Amino acid sequence: EAGVAQSPRYKIIEKRQSVAFWCNPISGHATLYWYQQILGQGPKLLIQFQNNGVVDDSQLPKDRFSAERLKGVDSTLKIQPAKLEDSAVYLCASSFPHGTSGLPSYNEQFFGPGTRLTVL
Amino acid sequence: EDKVVQSPLSLVVHEGDTVTLNCSYEVTNFRSLLWYKQEKKAPTFLFMLTSSGIEKKSGRLSSILDKKELSSILNITATQTGDSAIYLCAVGDTGNQFYFGTGTSLTVIP
Repeated sequence: EAGVAQSPRYKIIEKRQSVAFWCNPISGHATLYWYQQILGQGPKLLIQFQNNGVVDDSQLPKDRFSAERLKGVDSTLKIQPAKLEDSAVYLCASSFPHGTSGLPSYNEQFFGPGTRLTVL
Repeated sequence: EDKVVQSPLSLVVHEGDTVTLNCSYEVTNFRSLLWYKQEKKAPTFLFMLTSSGIEKKSGRLSSILDKKELSSILNITATQTGDSAIYLCAVGDTGNQFYFGTGTSLTVIP
């Protein structure tokens, strides 16, 4: 089974520039997550998609971050403009929710290799 | 505010030692607790715990959840240098939101 794919693996930009990251989840996984992991910290959820709809984006800094999953498969995360404090690893994860009563149920998350962003 | 706290923050042991990593949580609408191992790349899944008192085991690793104490432990016996990594604890709620701890950095010395 192919894993979660992310690109690029590394990116170095100057502050105020824009950057975009791409994620392709495991085939059939309806739920997709973007996390930000700053060095020395655990991953912080930025946004969660269920198919092409946003489930939770409460921690996404919407003045500069945006994400979309138009066809409910792959997703892009954009930062515009970038700040120094955005330097982090951006992790994408996917899971296949299942449950009763039509409600999604948590299942194991599979993580991609991450994109390491350095903002100078 | 929901949160997950791991201890210790870092640990250095010798090969063959047994270690116990701790995770405590305060998460509304708890659904599950997960342990991940993170080396240089992305976290890899170890265990998912949903029921109290049932031990999950995989080789030298085992984990158990205590819902009364709102905590979990991850045990690693007969540690090897390949066990050196950051061990992350995450708690999922019924809304499929996940909260991660800052991790425990384990270093196993030959």
